[in-house]
This record gives sequence, structure tokens and C-alpha cells, in this order.
Amino acid sequence: NAGVTQTPKFQVLKTGQSMTLQCAQDMNHNSMYWYRQDPGMGLRLIYYSASEGTTDKGEVPNGYNVSRLNKREFSLRLESAAPSQTSVYFCASSEGVARTDTQYFGPGTRLTVL
Amino acid sequence: GQSLEQPSEVTAVEGAIVQINCTYQTSGFYGLSWYQQHDGGAPTFLSYNALDGLEETGRFSSFLSRSDSYGYLLLQELQMKDSASYFCAVRGSGNTPLVFGKGTRLSVIA
Repeated sequence: NAGVTQTPKFQVLKTGQSMTLQCAQDMNHNSMYWYRQDPGMGLRLIYYSASEGTTDKGEVPNGYNVSRLNKREFSLRLESAAPSQTSVYFCASSEGVARTDTQYFGPGTRLTVL
Repeated sequence: GQSLEQPSEVTAVEGAIVQINCTYQTSGFYGLSWYQQHDGGAPTFLSYNALDGLEETGRFSSFLSRSDSYGYLLLQELQMKDSASYFCAVRGSGNTPLVFGKGTRLSVIA
């Protein structure tokens, strides 16, 4: 099992460009998440999908959109990238119903917006 | 909503014991989790406490006091490979996702 996979691993964009970050999990998990991580800020939730067919905003959703394509895949789109969106982006998944809500993270995408 | 407080940095000597504290405020409570993240890597799950008391997993232990809204991660027999960031996280209800603290960077020195 690959667990949670993310593409691309690295990306450089110019201000105003758009891109989609892809995430897939092979653990048959119900819930999927997108986080951004900036120095000293911990993990901040952008959007999450508690189950296939639903999406909800997290702490920092502005400037992003998401699509839960199917149970396996959850994508994050930046429509018009800004330098403030330079960050490391992590996708995660969990069973979603267990009290622990243990999350399994992908390797991350390191995004730089110039 | 939920909020968590943990120290930003801790330094400890190889072979010693270190405790990383976490205090939280949440309207509901579904348990306290701990995650480890090495530089350049992804966070990985370490432990979970739903009830008061100590949970032990090898060199790592995690403690919870629900009445004090407080928990800690205890690392024993520190090794250089334990140098990493450690995040506590809480879940307020069954319908809300985890909320993470800002993390504690642990440096293990010789």
C-alpha cells in the first residue's frame, strides 16, 4: 500500500498562475484533509472532506478550492496564486468515524509563488 | 472552537528524559493526540489519550488530565533521532476534524 500520495512534490509558480495539487489514498478512508504548514504556525486546515460528496472549510480557506473526486482522491486548486500562498501543503486521510481520528499524511508539496 | 498551547522549543541531552506539555481549550473533547514530524518529512501519529492517565508505547508515554485540560508527551532514553517537532492535537466532537498546536521543536544534543 502506498498510503497517501501527493503530486507534485515541488512547484514554482508566478503570481496569478493557477494550479491543482493532487492527493490520493489507498486505505479506503472516508475523510480527507488539506493543510498548509508555515514556519512557526503549525498545521493549519484549509479544507476537509468528511465523506465522499462533502467538503467543508477549515481555518484558512481563502484563495483555495477543493474537489472530492471520489473516495480515493481529493484535489486542492489555487485559482490565482499569491506570494502569501508559498508554503508546504500536506494532504491527509483518516477513517473519519473513530474517536481517535488518526490522520495519515502524504509527503507534502513544497510550493513557491514568486 | 479549540486552541492549544505548547512550548515552541525544547532542548535535552541524549539519554535524558524530556516532557513536552500541552494545554488546550475546547468546547467538547474527543481526546488528545500527539504527532511527530522530522525536518522535511510528514507528520506521523504517535499516541492518543481519551481517558485520564498515562499511556506507554516503548520509550514514549503520553499523559492526559481532562479536569486540567492538560497533557504531556514524555520521551525517555532520548536518542539523536528523536530530534523533531512534536504536535499535540484535539478533536472537539465527532463531527469536527483535529485541531493542531503550533508544535514543539525538540533538539537532542550530545
